[in-house]
Amino acid sequence: AQSVSQHNHHVILSEAASLELGCNYSYGGTVNLFWYVQYPGQHLQLLLKYFSGDPLVKGIKGFEAEFIKSKFSFNLRKPSVQWSDTAEYFCAVNAGGATNKLIFGTGTLLAVQP
Amino acid sequence: EAGVAQSPRYKIIEKRQSVAFWCNPISGHATLYWYQQILGQGPKLLIQFQNNGVVDDSQLPKDRFSAERLKGVDSTLKIQPAKLEDSAVYLCASSPFTEAFFGQGTRLTVV
Repeated sequence: AQSVSQHNHHVILSEAASLELGCNYSYGGTVNLFWYVQYPGQHLQLLLKYFSGDPLVKGIKGFEAEFIKSKFSFNLRKPSVQWSDTAEYFCAVNAGGATNKLIFGTGTLLAVQP
Repeated sequence: EAGVAQSPRYKIIEKRQSVAFWCNPISGHATLYWYQQILGQGPKLLIQFQNNGVVDDSQLPKDRFSAERLKGVDSTLKIQPAKLEDSAVYLCASSPFTEAFFGQGTRLTVV
């Protein structure tokens, strides 16, 4: 069965610090990978996605993620965070195929201090 | 493009009462998901529809939860009877293929 693990549950950074959030998944086949973000009081929004091709994908607001197939990882990065990046971040995996099942990790709460 | 619509936004009920949530997905999206998000946890998939057929309901507590998708469009999720541990945000999402679009959710509090 698919599963997703996020290693950091709560991260606190100062503005301009660099960010890396870990995500590992367990599934042996081809996967589609996502990072979603939930700003306070708002609904889940797609940050970026990986389907195939270049393993380094760029998303909105300066975020990027790298898919490392050998490590079953899809870590999220941003070189310099802003106070407005304060939010909860969720990694998600879709094994595609007939079921199109989308499974989420437990989330990482990021607090950026001005 | 209109987003995923959910109602109500908030609901407070007593335990053992019943409650229903409604979701209107983005037009043309074949896949519809219902998730339960308990505070401090990630969304947990309850049920997934492809058009009006159930693809996965392995984590739906079928003794108290039920869901249907009418004519492959709108969907309702019902809880009867509710328990305290059902307090959570219930999220509806729709997808044309792999990327899912989420509604605002319904925050349920069971007292």
